[in-house]
Amino acid sequence: QKEVEQNSGPLSVPEGAIASLNCTYSDRGSQSFFWYRQYSGKSPELIMFIYSNGDKEDGRFTAQLNKASQYVSLLIRDSQPSDSATYLCAVNWDGGSQGNLIFGKGTKLSVKP
Amino acid sequence: GAVVSQHPSRVICKSGTSVKIECRSLDFQATTMFWYRQFPKQSLMLMATSNEGSKATYEQGVEKDKFLINHASLTLSTLTVTSAHPEDSSFYICSAPKGPYEQYFGPGTRLTVT
Repeated sequence: QKEVEQNSGPLSVPEGAIASLNCTYSDRGSQSFFWYRQYSGKSPELIMFIYSNGDKEDGRFTAQLNKASQYVSLLIRDSQPSDSATYLCAVNWDGGSQGNLIFGKGTKLSVKP
Repeated sequence: GAVVSQHPSRVICKSGTSVKIECRSLDFQATTMFWYRQFPKQSLMLMATSNEGSKATYEQGVEKDKFLINHASLTLSTLTVTSAHPEDSSFYICSAPKGPYEQYFGPGTRLTVT
């Protein structure tokens, strides 16, 4: 059973702080990893993907992957109230370019002004 | 990012009727599309993989005769919920992969069966 685990939260951080979101996955064969943001009542929006160990930065967002620990995280620097949403971690275990995703249940982030 | 559209965005139907949901990739071709369902406060659950020119692949526990999928072209997949019941009320979302790592989601269709 392939599983993706996330802390459901809510995670509350003050505006301007760093928000740290964590995700673990069960399948060592997992190939690529995604972070999606989902606002209430909306569909997920891709923030970042990562497939190599280490850090990947894009603006205020940094994804971190540690395949040995089966752990992926998302850091949001200078958090803004508009970042308040549910963040979904997703894992592509298929390995192929058209593989489907297994989603975690999401972590709800609340950024307080 | 790429654009995926869905229609309708919201539909209310009576129990026993059928509802068709369309998913289109607007600026790229997709030989594969995915259909997800999301219940309130739950994560996305993959229902099926839609394959252009061939039969869809359904996840365990998803009734293929109830959820009919047709991938008519490289930019269009449809999901038909047949004989809908209140327990089918959910948020249905399609996605299409573009390139090896990226999947783009449609805006979703909220189905309410009365």
